[in-house]
Amino acid sequence: EVQLVQSGGGLVRPGGSFTITCEVSGMSLSDARMNWVRQASGKGLQWIGRIKRPVDGGTTDYAASVRGRFTIFRDDSKNTFDLHMNSLKTEDTAVYYCLVGAKWGQGTLVTVSS
Amino acid sequence: SYELTQPPSVSVSPGQTATITCSGDALPKQYAFWYQQKPGQAPVLIIYQDTERPPNIPARISGSTSGTTVTLTISGVQAEDEADYYCQSTDTDGIVVFGGGTKLTVL
Repeated sequence: EVQLVQSGGGLVRPGGSFTITCEVSGMSLSDARMNWVRQASGKGLQWIGRIKRPVDGGTTDYAASVRGRFTIFRDDSKNTFDLHMNSLKTEDTAVYYCLVGAKWGQGTLVTVSS
Repeated sequence: SYELTQPPSVSVSPGQTATITCSGDALPKQYAFWYQQKPGQAPVLIIYQDTERPPNIPARISGSTSGTTVTLTISGVQAEDEADYYCQSTDTDGIVVFGGGTKLTVL
């Protein structure tokens, strides 16, 4: 069974940085389409970025709201992929989910506040 | 940018049938997926590839498609079905797109 386990959340000051790791078991990431999605409190799901499979070039794409501030990395040897978030804003406060195929991580709450 | 449109809310009485629609121009060419999300929980896949149901999803939950609209149907609605429902598809570049979500209320 495919399982996604995310690292813990935290409180970050505006302008700060934070990284979330998604560890995948039950499948090889080299075959996977990997995405990050976030959900602000009381709001809907928002796609924020993806990293393609190596066979598709392994490139990344980001939503306009996070482009230039967020970066996705993959480590196929560890079967993990990370979301690096820089220059965080209060509006980035949300639960962040990794999404592989149609399987979701448990979510990580990141709160950006002074 | 590509958008998927869902009604914000649907209300039904127990035992009745709930239908939730999702409209998008690319839906005739791209598969749709449906997720159920209960408060404080991650979304859970309930329909994939427009009409297919994962093994652990009851048969009273079904998906259909017609042109630019996909539909989630829940027959014999139960209290436990009260949740938010999201459709998801991709644009022509394979970028994931979500509908705005529909809150299903069981009266």
